Amino acid sequence: QQQVKQSPQSLIVQKGGISIINCAYENTAFDYFPWYQQFPGKGPALLIAIRPDVSEKKEGRFTISFNKSAKQFSLHIMDSQPGDSATYFCAASPMDSNYQLIWGAGTKLIIKP
Amino acid sequence: GAGVSQSPRYKVAKRGQDVALRCDPISGHVSLFWYQQALGQGPEFLTYFQNEAQLDKSGLPSDRFFAERPEGSVSTLKIQRTQQEDSAVYLCASSRQQNTGELFFGEGSRLTVL
Repeated sequence: QQQVKQSPQSLIVQKGGISIINCAYENTAFDYFPWYQQFPGKGPALLIAIRPDVSEKKEGRFTISFNKSAKQFSLHIMDSQPGDSATYFCAASPMDSNYQLIWGAGTKLIIKP
Repeated sequence: GAGVSQSPRYKVAKRGQDVALRCDPISGHVSLFWYQQALGQGPEFLTYFQNEAQLDKSGLPSDRFFAERPEGSVSTLKIQRTQQEDSAVYLCASSRQQNTGELFFGEGSRLTVL
């Protein structure tokens, strides 16, 4: 119940294409869903986050889509660029409890020029 | 400082040695977290401090692992009698508020146990 399942494990997308990464969770107590981006040799950095009161959140080229009934959420990267090549982690936690973040296993994204 | 600072960035230890990893969080951040990240995996929670109080240490894998934050700022993660399975990147993160908000991560300390 505590797991966050992330797919795919790795993804190769052509420059300009759309990158889509999916996550699923079981625990209905989760209500904070961030996405973190990690470059090699660096720590993860918050990219975008959503709470379940909205079904979509967009920040620039990055969009989170959230399906509460299916307990799934996804990250879409529009017009993917080589600089987006990184590992992306979804995570989930109960409200007001960021220390209980449960992380997905990560998706290694490669954008081909 | 501007961000979370961790030292050393790289540590090679012989099996059985003790190591100490330091984290200097963003000034004024209340919460501090330690995570362990194995190669190709997501971060795994180790422990959490709110100011100087260690509120959760349920993720520490054994009693060889010990963390402290005595004055509510700098934290040290100590691993005694290191084993090969301890090899990983140890990430420190801080957040401004207690319980909520964005985690700001350091670059991590990569520990290799030979």
